[in-house]
Amino acid sequence: KAGVTQTPRYLIKTRGQQVTLSCSPISGHRSVSWYQQTPGQGLQFLFEYFSETQRNKGNFPGRFSGRQFSNSRSEMNVSTLELGDSALYLCASSLYSGMNEQFFGPGTRLTVL
Amino acid sequence: SQQGEEDPQALSIQEGENATMNCSYKTSINNLQWYRQNSGRGLVHLILIRSNEREKHSGRLRVTLDTSKKSSSLLITASRAADTASYFCATGDFGNEKLTFGTGTRLTIIP
Repeated sequence: KAGVTQTPRYLIKTRGQQVTLSCSPISGHRSVSWYQQTPGQGLQFLFEYFSETQRNKGNFPGRFSGRQFSNSRSEMNVSTLELGDSALYLCASSLYSGMNEQFFGPGTRLTVL
Repeated sequence: SQQGEEDPQALSIQEGENATMNCSYKTSINNLQWYRQNSGRGLVHLILIRSNEREKHSGRLRVTLDTSKKSSSLLITASRAADTASYFCATGDFGNEKLTFGTGTRLTIIP
């Protein structure tokens, strides 16, 4: 099976812009989780989607949003970008649950200037 | 917020030696997992241990879990240069369908 893919791999934006990141899970996986990784805060949970519904949400402002499509592909959107949003954004998929074994994609490196 | 705190933050050992990393957490858990991350890339799942298990092995990896002390350890035996990476523990918490990651241990294997 193909692994989790994320696009784009690298992105440079300026403050105030918005960005959309995409994640394609492993075929058959219905749960998709998103994480933000920064040197200062480490790995922080953003949200988890299961069957097109947001099942869990981390402690991030409303500028961070996501959705999941019927084929389990997921997107996350960050509006009104801030310098502090610069991070590695990781997507992970699993069969049924965001707390079981997660299969991670390579990540999208977002730089906000 | 971080659930797990890992110790040590960084570890350097000679190739062939054993490496031990520790993880402490705060709340009741359903399971605890260990992941490896090579420099700035995606994480790779290594092993999952459930809250009713005390020890688990996978190849050169040995994980222990002590729920009374809310702690876990990961032992990598006969280390290799390819084991150089960051290692994270993550807890699957009761009541949440999510993982909470620790702060990570940076392991360097010296050839």
